[in-house]
Parts: sequence; structure tokens; C-alpha cells
Amino acid sequence: SQKIEQNSEALNIQEGKTATLTCNYTNYSPAYLQWYRQDPGRGPVFLLLIRENEKEKRKERLKVTFDTTLKQSLFHITASQPADSATYLCALNSGGYQKVTFGTGTKLQVIP
Amino acid sequence: GAGVSQSPSNKVTEKGKDVELRCDPISGHTALYWYRQSLGQGLEFLIYFQGNSAPDKSGLPSDRFSAERTGGSVSTLTIQRTQQEDSAVYLCASSLKLGEAGELFFGEGSRLTVL
Repeated sequence: SQKIEQNSEALNIQEGKTATLTCNYTNYSPAYLQWYRQDPGRGPVFLLLIRENEKEKRKERLKVTFDTTLKQSLFHITASQPADSATYLCALNSGGYQKVTFGTGTKLQVIP
Repeated sequence: GAGVSQSPSNKVTEKGKDVELRCDPISGHTALYWYRQSLGQGLEFLIYFQGNSAPDKSGLPSDRFSAERTGGSVSTLTIQRTQQEDSAVYLCASSLKLGEAGELFFGEGSRLTVL
């Protein structure tokens, strides 16, 4: 069966450190993968998109990698800040581009 | 509009009643998605539209759920004979065009509570 797995346990890190979140998928062949941030009581907000032919994508303090052999994406936040505390969701397409499926998310807590 | 608008933001209903949830996507966005998020859970895909057409309805949890989109714009998700397990936040998202990689813009959701 198809699965998108993210670490269900909350990730607690110290301010200033690099946070690394993992997204593993099974039985998908996505053309692209996205990462979103969700704050409590709010809808998800898009952060980054990486295509299958891209190994790495960066945006300010964010970096995403995409390994189609391992079927894994890593999401890094460098120099983390308390304001980065949120739930982070990975999403990938299936059925062509048409259906976008989300993982369960990982809650990140950055401790001052 | 400036963003995706959903209404109502909160809805409390009694078991067995019908509810309608509305989504107004960003102007010009042809693709529209509905997701459901139960407390502390991830996003469960329900249905997507390209224009007014819904090619894949397999995510709808039961035949009590239906959705339509008119004029390539506003979409309505209807839940008939609501059950307590329907309680969740229903999120709508739109994107510029189905079939192209692009970000989804989400509304703030409609929180449904079935008593």
C-alpha cells in the first residue's frame, strides 16, 4: 500500500541548532515533493517544492533534499529560532500531478 | 479574492443533520482540493476538481459525502446525515493549474463538530 511517513514524535531542538525532518514514502513515484508549515488552528502554508530531477533546493534558512532511490526527503532548518516551532508536512503527487497526498507531519519545538 | 476563503469557520451540528461547507478559491485558480484533518492527525485527501470536473472521488469517506464546483470557482462540500466521526477540520486548497507542479494555497478551514 502507499505510505508517506514522517516522524510522529515531536522534535525538540535548541535554538540556533539545525533541525532535520524526514519524509519517507512507499509505492509512490512522485514527480515532485513539497514541504508545508502548519501552525495550530491554521491552514498549511507552502515552503518549498523539489522536483524528482533535483537533488537539493534551498530557500533562506531552509534546505530540502530529495533522494528518489532511497524514497526519502530531508528538510533542514538551519539556525533554528523559536518562531520556527510548528508542524511540518511533506506532500507528494500521485496519479500524475493530479492528487497531492500529505504525510502526517512532524511537530517541531525550538527551545530558547 | 486575496486568499482562499472558507465558510463557516466553525459549525456545530447535531448528529443526523446535513451540513454544507463552502470554499471560495483564489481567482484564476483552476484546481481545487478538499482535505479533512482530524484532531492531531495529518491531512486526509477527499477530492479534487479541475474546473468543475472531479476525476477522482475515491477519497470521499462514504456516500454521505458529496462535493460540487460551479463556474470553475466556488465549491461546496456537503455531508448528509452527519455522524460524530465526521467531526474534523475541513480544509480547502487551490492551485493555479492541475497537471503542473505548484504550491497549494490553503484556507483556514471549517471546523465541524457533530454532537
